[in-house]
Amino acid sequence: DQQVKQNSPSLSVQEGRISILNCDYTNSMFDYFLWYKKYPAEGPTFLISISSIKDKNEDGRFTVFLNKSAKHLSLHIVPSQPGDSAVYFCAASARYSGGSNYKLTFGKGTLLTVNP
Amino acid sequence: DTGVSQDPRHKITKRGQNVTFRCDPISEHNRLYWYRQTLGQGPEFLTYFQNEAQLEKSRLLSDRFSAERPKGSFSTLEIQRTEQGDSAMYLCASSFLRVRGTGELFFGEGSRLTVL
Repeated sequence: DQQVKQNSPSLSVQEGRISILNCDYTNSMFDYFLWYKKYPAEGPTFLISISSIKDKNEDGRFTVFLNKSAKHLSLHIVPSQPGDSAVYFCAASARYSGGSNYKLTFGKGTLLTVNP
Repeated sequence: DTGVSQDPRHKITKRGQNVTFRCDPISEHNRLYWYRQTLGQGPEFLTYFQNEAQLEKSRLLSDRFSAERPKGSFSTLEIQRTEQGDSAMYLCASSFLRVRGTGELFFGEGSRLTVL
C-alpha cells in the first residue's frame, strides 16, 4: 500500500527551464512533507519541507506547493541546473497528529535529468 | 566530518551468514532511524530509537533482524541467517527531537548488502 506516490519515474528538462516534480499521498494523517535529493552512492539529503498549515514554501530556486484537498504536492525548481540532476524523493510524516513521531514515509522517487 | 557515518559501506555475504552494520549518528541527535532501500523503491522505515529506547519496529523487521542502540549513542543492525531478499541498501538517519524546526532526518551514505 503506497501511501506516498510519485507517478513519474523520470523527468528530463533543459537547463534554465522549470522542473516540476509531483507527489500524491493517501494518508489523511500526514501533516508534514519533505523533499529529499539523492545522488548515486550517497544518502538522501534534505531539500525543503512544508507543514500542512501552509500551501507554499520557498527556498531560493526551490518552491514546494501543497494542495491539501487534492492530497498533492509539487516541487518546482527554477531555473534548473545540470547539478540538480538526481533522484528526488517526496516524504511525509504525521508529525503533529502522530505523537511527535518524525517517521517518514517515502515515495519511490523521480529521476531528474537536467540537460545542458 | 560530523555527519552520520555508516560502516561497512558494502558487505557481500553468502546466504545463511550473519551480518552487522554500525551507525554513528550526529552527536547531539537523540533520534536514530534505520531504513532499507531496494532498487527502484524509496527508503522504507525499519525501526527507530529515541536515546537508547527502541520505540517502533516495522513489520518489515522480521525476527532475523535486531537493532540496538546501547547508551543512546551508536546503533547496530544485525541480520541473522541472511537471505537473498535481504540484499538492499541499509540507511541510517538521525534527528533531534524539537518542537520547532524542519524535523528533517540526516542520512548516512548507507551500507549496501549483497547476499549471494
